[in-house]
Amino acid sequence: NAGVIQTPRHKVTGKGQEATLWCEPISGHSAVFWYRQTIVQGLEFLTYFRNQAPIDDSGMPKERFSAQMPNQSHSTLKIQSTQPQDSAVYLCASSQTKFQNTLYFGAGTRLSVL
Amino acid sequence: QQKVQQSPESLIVPEGGMASLNCTSSDRNVDYFWWYRQHSGKSPKMLMSIFSNGEKEEGRFTVHLNKASLHTSLHIRDSQPSDSALYLCAAREGSALGRLHFGAGTQLIVIP
Repeated sequence: NAGVIQTPRHKVTGKGQEATLWCEPISGHSAVFWYRQTIVQGLEFLTYFRNQAPIDDSGMPKERFSAQMPNQSHSTLKIQSTQPQDSAVYLCASSQTKFQNTLYFGAGTRLSVL
Repeated sequence: QQKVQQSPESLIVPEGGMASLNCTSSDRNVDYFWWYRQHSGKSPKMLMSIFSNGEKEEGRFTVHLNKASLHTSLHIRDSQPSDSALYLCAAREGSALGRLHFGAGTQLIVIP
């Protein structure tokens, strides 16, 4: 079991460019979560999917952020027109069941917007 | 306002000492708590979970939960330098959404 796989590990973009982050959840896990982590804000919830369906995206900055889960083996987080304040570590996590949804995190993607 | 409050922000204990970390939720809908540990440069990993009143022990780690006050605490006895990490408390909304809210964390430093 390779765990949750996130790519790329590091991404540097210029202000205004687009960034796409990828996540492959643990096989058999039914839920996928996206968080971002900064020193100032800590771990912030962005969005989550259950059985590929979007359940809650209340943490997403609506205008520039979007997330998809086209199949059970991967999810993407897309940030359009990146801004310096988007710089953070973006963490994807998956969980097995609805009741005891212990999250298993990937190693994260460190996004740096110059 | 953060739904999950952790204290202290940072804690320094000597090797072999006891570390006590606290976490309280302001959301009455919370029904489950987790403690995650995040070493520097790594991703968070689940340490312990609790949803019943009382105490749960696993090795050097003990978790307490008081559901009436929505307060949980994590106690680490015989602390080791390898325990130095950011400890995150997570609370789950007891609703169909089941979203997890994380606290800001307690940075634990164990001095050899």
